[in-house]
Amino acid sequence: QKEVEQNSGPLSVPEGAIASLNCTYSDRGSQSFFWYRQYSGKSPELIMFIYSNGDKEDGRFTAQLNKASQYVSLLIRDSQPSDSATYLCAVSNQAGTALIFGKGTTLSVSS
Amino acid sequence: GAGVSQSPSNKVTEKGKDVELRCDPISGHTALYWYRQSLGQGLEFLIYFQGNSAPDKSGLPSDRFSAERTGGSVSTLTIQRTQQEDSAVYLCASGGREETQYFGPGTRLLVL
Repeated sequence: QKEVEQNSGPLSVPEGAIASLNCTYSDRGSQSFFWYRQYSGKSPELIMFIYSNGDKEDGRFTAQLNKASQYVSLLIRDSQPSDSATYLCAVSNQAGTALIFGKGTTLSVSS
Repeated sequence: GAGVSQSPSNKVTEKGKDVELRCDPISGHTALYWYRQSLGQGLEFLIYFQGNSAPDKSGLPSDRFSAERTGGSVSTLTIQRTQQEDSAVYLCASGGREETQYFGPGTRLLVL
């Protein structure tokens, strides 16, 4: 059973702080890694994707990938109350035909 | 441009009835995926289309579930003889470059 694990949270950070979200996966054959944000009652929204080891930055978001450790993370700098949501880590299966999702980490940013 | 659209947005049905859920992907996207999300559960893959063919149906939970795609565009997910455990949000995703997937708003299905 291929799995993606995330801490459910809630992760609480004050406004302006850095939020760090972590994810581990079991399938060493996975090649593509994604972070989605999901507001309550809404569908997931793609915010970052990463394919190579190292860091990838986009605005306030940085995704980090370590394939040897089977670990993906998302850093959110200068956190805002509007960042409060559930963050889903997703990993492609080996065939590239589906994403395997973690159950998500709930982030709460207090003003 | 237009995103992924799904209809209906909500569906309430009685146990044993059949339901059809529709997905209209982003224009030009050849890949289309169906997932479902149950309360307290993660997103669960159902089926993947590339064009009109479905090379990965491994996530369909039973033979009551089927899906088709015509003209390389619109897809329909059909659930026959619905059961209460089928209640969930059914999400369609449109496949962009480099395996990115963009989700529609979902259909919230409630089986009474």
